[in-house]
Amino acid sequence: KAGVTQTPRYLIKTRGQQVTLSCSPISGHRSVSWYQQTPGQGLQFLFEYFSETQRNKGNFPGRFSGRQFSNSRSEMNVSTLELGDSALYLCASSLYRGETEAFFGQGTRLTVV
Amino acid sequence: QQQVKQSPQSLIVQKGGISIINCAYENTAFDYFPWYQQFPGKGPALLIAIRPDVSEKKEGRFTISFNKSAKQFSLHIMDSQPGDSATYFCAARRDTGTASKLTFGTGTRLQVTL
Repeated sequence: KAGVTQTPRYLIKTRGQQVTLSCSPISGHRSVSWYQQTPGQGLQFLFEYFSETQRNKGNFPGRFSGRQFSNSRSEMNVSTLELGDSALYLCASSLYRGETEAFFGQGTRLTVV
Repeated sequence: QQQVKQSPQSLIVQKGGISIINCAYENTAFDYFPWYQQFPGKGPALLIAIRPDVSEKKEGRFTISFNKSAKQFSLHIMDSQPGDSATYFCAARRDTGTASKLTFGTGTRLQVTL
């Protein structure tokens, strides 16, 4: 059974640009959450999606957005990139909303220059 | 506001020794407490988890001890091995019924020496 797949693995963008990251959950999983990981702030919750609806949102500016498709795949978008957005972005999938076990992908390493 | 405090930040243990990582939380609404292991270049992997109605859970060499009244929980790694060298994160989940999220500790970098 394939795990959580995140693409691309690495990205380099320039300040002011926008970026879209993709996450394919484990087959059959319907809940997808996104986290930002940085050395200074650790792992911070961005959003939770279930059945194409955002169920929960972390304390991030509106430049961070996301969506989930009918096949449970999810994308997150960051507009007007800032240097501080450089981070590892992690996606986690769960079978159902609130399901205890969350499986993480390997992440997308975003570098903003 | 950090709701899950983790210590120590780093830990060096000899092979065969016991590694102990501690976490404390503030929000009594948390209902699930997992520990994740992360190797460089990889995403976090669920190691072991506990619910607040249980005081201890053991899986192989890994044990979670949970103290609900003190709002603390800890991970014990028995017979630590060099392959256990990784960063460990404690986390706490709050599920409101319509939304849920994990709040993570700041991580502990464990090094197991020969």
